[in-house]
Order: sequence, then structure tokens, then C-alpha cells
Amino acid sequence: DGGITQSPKYLFRKEGQNVTLSCEQNLNHDAMYWYRQDPGQGLRLIYYSQIVNDFQKGDIAEGYSVSREKKESFPLTVTSAQKNPTAFYLCASRNNREGGYGYTFGSGTRLTVV
Amino acid sequence: AQSVAQPEDQVNVAEGNPLTVKCTYSVSGNPYLFWYVQYPNRGLQFLLKYITGDNLVKGSYGFEAEFNKSQTSFHLKKPSALVSDSALYFCAVRGSGGSYIPTFGRGTSLIVHP
Repeated sequence: DGGITQSPKYLFRKEGQNVTLSCEQNLNHDAMYWYRQDPGQGLRLIYYSQIVNDFQKGDIAEGYSVSREKKESFPLTVTSAQKNPTAFYLCASRNNREGGYGYTFGSGTRLTVV
Repeated sequence: AQSVAQPEDQVNVAEGNPLTVKCTYSVSGNPYLFWYVQYPNRGLQFLLKYITGDNLVKGSYGFEAEFNKSQTSFHLKKPSALVSDSALYFCAVRGSGGSYIPTFGRGTSLIVHP
């Protein structure tokens, strides 16, 4: 079945540590996105990529970094510069050729600072 | 700039009763409107979309939404609620051009009581 796989499902980070969240899709979608979800705040866009080897900052990019070396993969690194990283992180993708309609979402990674 | 408002943090309804989850929006040009549902610790699942055409849009799991241009609203409805409909619901909007990045509302928690 086609879909988006996020791993790990749960991740614990120590203070001052960088961690990388994985997002892989086999939908042949061009565009990929990272969102952060906090209770009562909805989804906030961190980074997005419309095409391989290109990505753009979203609304809350500070303290995060991404790469898009392959169409299928869009990993997110939460750096030590992100002061409040505890949140639920969602990856999504979209097929540009469908006129930019709905997203397909992964199941999310819950990151906790310990 | 585009925005979405979901005025209710929580909606309570008895099983078998009709339900409405409210959404209003602001966008330049013609709106593309979406509803998604999220179950605990899961990603968002697409329910339905309005792009053009009939103002009443039918989607998954018996849900429907009514587009009202004059009131800039896109309320989600279901004639008879099920306990299994209890979840977090997100409305999203984007304009008909640009980068195809939608803006999400803060979400409404729907609780269906047996």
C-alpha cells in the first residue's frame, strides 16, 4: 500500500542533543511538508519542499533543519537551538499534478525532551 | 493572508443526534477548503474538500460540509453522530493560486456521548 512512514513513533531527546525524524513516502508525490502540533495550537508549518534539492522555511523554522536529496525522503533535524522541541511532529505529502488538493499525512512522531 | 477560525474548542453531542463543527475562513480569491480528522496519536486523515461546484460536499464516513460564500463558512455536518466519530477535526483553507500551502484551524474536539 502507498503511504507515508514516519519513524520513530516516539523519540526522547536530552538537552543539547540533535535528533532526526524520518519521513518516507512511496506515493511518488512531489511536495513534502513538516508540521508541528501542540495542544490547542493546531498545525504550524516548519519546512516544506516542492521538489528534490529545494526546500523553503515555513512559519516556525528556527531550530530545525531539513534536506531533500531524494523524492521519497524528507528528514527533519531538531537541533539544540530549538528551545522547546517537545511536540507531535507530522509529515505530509502532496501530488503537484493533482492541482494541489489534499495532503496525505504520516502517523506522526512524538518528541519529548528529558 | 489566509486564515481559518474554528470557534469551538470542543463540541459535545449525543449519539444519534446531528452534529455540526464550525469553520469560517478568510482568503484572497476563490477558496479551496478541506476537513481532516485526527484520532489520538495519529496523523490527519482527509475527510472532504470543496474546490468548486455544489455547495454541499459529501465526504468519508457519512460526513458532509456546506460551503457558504456570503458567510465565508464551511461547516462540517453529519446527520447522526456515532461514538466512533469522537476525534479532533481540522478545517483548512488555501487560495486558488500561490504555493498551495493551506492554513489549518486550531482544531475542534468532537465528543459523542453514548
